[in-house]
Amino acid sequence: DADVTQTPRNRITKTGKRIMLECSQTKGHDRMYWYRQDPGLGLRLIYYSFDVKDINKGEISDGYSVSRQAQAKFSLSLESAIPNQTALYFCATSVAGAYEQYFGPGTRLTVT
Amino acid sequence: AQKVTQAQTEISVVEKEDVTLDCVYETRDTTYYLFWYKQPPSGELVFLIRRNSFDEQNEISGRYSWNFQKSTSSFNFTITASQVVDSAVYFCALSETYGGSQGNLIFGKGTKLSVKP
Repeated sequence: DADVTQTPRNRITKTGKRIMLECSQTKGHDRMYWYRQDPGLGLRLIYYSFDVKDINKGEISDGYSVSRQAQAKFSLSLESAIPNQTALYFCATSVAGAYEQYFGPGTRLTVT
Repeated sequence: AQKVTQAQTEISVVEKEDVTLDCVYETRDTTYYLFWYKQPPSGELVFLIRRNSFDEQNEISGRYSWNFQKSTSSFNFTITASQVVDSAVYFCALSETYGGSQGNLIFGKGTKLSVKP
């Protein structure tokens, strides 16, 4: 089945550490997104990429960076993790012009 | 600016009751898309429906139905004869088709539905 996968699924890290979350997709979609979900706040967009050479900041990009290594891979990095980055992180994909997005299973990140 | 409001934070019903989840949106775009996603306790986000701004017909899929009213900027979701498996957080979302944020989803904060046996 064409799918969106995220690794790791769970991660506990310490304040100040660098951490990378990875997303891969076999859907053949050109657009990829990173969101974070906090209780009571819904999902907020961190970064998005319309193709390998097009990367854009979302609503809450401070403290994060991304890399689009290939059409199928989009990584999110926290250069120096802080406790308020504790959240559930989702990767999503879409096709240009289709608008609905398909989400990975999420990565639960805890920063202590 | 675009915005999605789900005023109901939590709803609790007893199995077999009908329940409606409200969604109100704001946008300056004339062409846009509206969505509903389901997030069950397992945590994944499941796409339920997409509706474009030119199609105001209601849609029914089994026990689920959606009522889109452009005049009130609402896109409400009704579950008929609710079941325990419907327990989840439901998100309404908006995507504009023009401007720098086109194609991005703006989510409401979600409504947590608990269906008790």
